[in-house]
Amino acid sequence: ETGVTQSPTHLIKTRGQQVTLRCSSQSGHNTVSWYQQALGQGPQFIFQYYREEENGRGNFPPRFSGLQFPNYSSELNVNALELDDSALYLCASSPTGGRTDTQYFGPGTRLTVL
Amino acid sequence: KQEVTQIPAALSVPEGENLVLNCSFTDSAIYNLQWFRQDPGKGLTSLLLIQSSQREQTSGRLNASLDKSSGRSTLYIAASQPGDSATYLCAVIIQGAQKLVFGQGTRLTINP
Repeated sequence: ETGVTQSPTHLIKTRGQQVTLRCSSQSGHNTVSWYQQALGQGPQFIFQYYREEENGRGNFPPRFSGLQFPNYSSELNVNALELDDSALYLCASSPTGGRTDTQYFGPGTRLTVL
Repeated sequence: KQEVTQIPAALSVPEGENLVLNCSFTDSAIYNLQWFRQDPGKGLTSLLLIQSSQREQTSGRLNASLDKSSGRSTLYIAASQPGDSATYLCAVIIQGAQKLVFGQGTRLTINP
């Protein structure tokens, strides 16, 4: 069984650019959530996708957007990058999106904005 | 607004000791509480999940308890080993929401 994978591992961008991060959910999981983790902090919820529909959003501006594909993989897009967007971006998948599910996290993408 | 607090922020103990990590949350209306481990620069590994109707869960040397009424959870690690060194995070899912709300973590160092 393949776990949650994310790409790329590391990324360096400059302020104002756009970035796309990718996540492949664990086999059999139809729900993907994205989190942002600043250095020394706990992860903050960005949004969740369930069966290709956004199913909840945290306190992030609209320049953070996402997609989920029919195979349940997902993308996180960030436009007009700011220095404060530098963080570890984590993707998590769960079997059904139910609130009692365990969420399984990928290794993360480290984004640095210069 | 649900807030999750973990104390202490950092802990250093000698190998072999039993230890307790603490987590508190402000809103007792939760679906479950999950403990995670995070190695430096890495993703999160789920350790234990406690449903709101449960009082504790055990896995190997780890035992997590949940007291919803007081808004507290503890993670007990028995016979600590250097390989247990990591940051430990607790997170809750509150009723009416899909997201995990995390504490800031406890950075644990086990000294050989």
